Amino acid sequence: GQQLNQSPQSMFIQEGEDVSMNCTSSSIFNTWLWYKQDPGEGPVLLIALYKAGELTSNGRLTAQFGITRKDSFLNISASIPSDVGIYFCAGLPGGGGADGLTFGKGTHLIIQP
Amino acid sequence: EAQVTQNPRYLITVTGKKLTVTCSQNMNHEYMSWYRQDPGLGLRQIYYSMNVEVTDKGDVPEGYKVSRKEKRNFPLILESPSPNQTSLYFCASSLIRGSYNEQFFGPGTRLTVL
Repeated sequence: GQQLNQSPQSMFIQEGEDVSMNCTSSSIFNTWLWYKQDPGEGPVLLIALYKAGELTSNGRLTAQFGITRKDSFLNISASIPSDVGIYFCAGLPGGGGADGLTFGKGTHLIIQP
Repeated sequence: EAQVTQNPRYLITVTGKKLTVTCSQNMNHEYMSWYRQDPGLGLRQIYYSMNVEVTDKGDVPEGYKVSRKEKRNFPLILESPSPNQTSLYFCASSLIRGSYNEQFFGPGTRLTVL
């Protein structure tokens, strides 16, 4: 299947810092999604992007669909303790919804008090 | 409440003993999917279904079966489980409209095969 490279693999930050993570692919995606997974739970959708260049915010979260359609980033501003978790990017390839999502391997966000 | 439910949440079994993990959604979604999550490997798709009686292999289908006899249910079947199927399993569902595929995930099933 498709491959998504998500980085960084983990982040250790201080409360209040901004966070940035990204996903890249060698092939084009039509949709980019960002999920967060808390311990012991399933991933929860944070932001969905459908157009190249699209920039979307959800509270302190901002995500962008890259112009080349091969990348996306997620920023979290002024991090708080409840931001801790694993963040996954997911992409829907050019074939449409029938092909299913491809997920990155996740970014572990750890906030030090 | 709109949700995806999975049962059981935790299961310990032995090699070769057939098991079924159920998945149900109440959102009238056409698309349903099963993933396994392993450390360092992220989420990998096992099988998916576009609608009733329509199922397709994902990236890691070996050792698994699925069925979609009703729109709301999508059980995952392990006919002869092996230790390498010890993992965290997630069911997900979504509407499908062109590029729209915002999948909603269940709470997960942690399976241990001894």
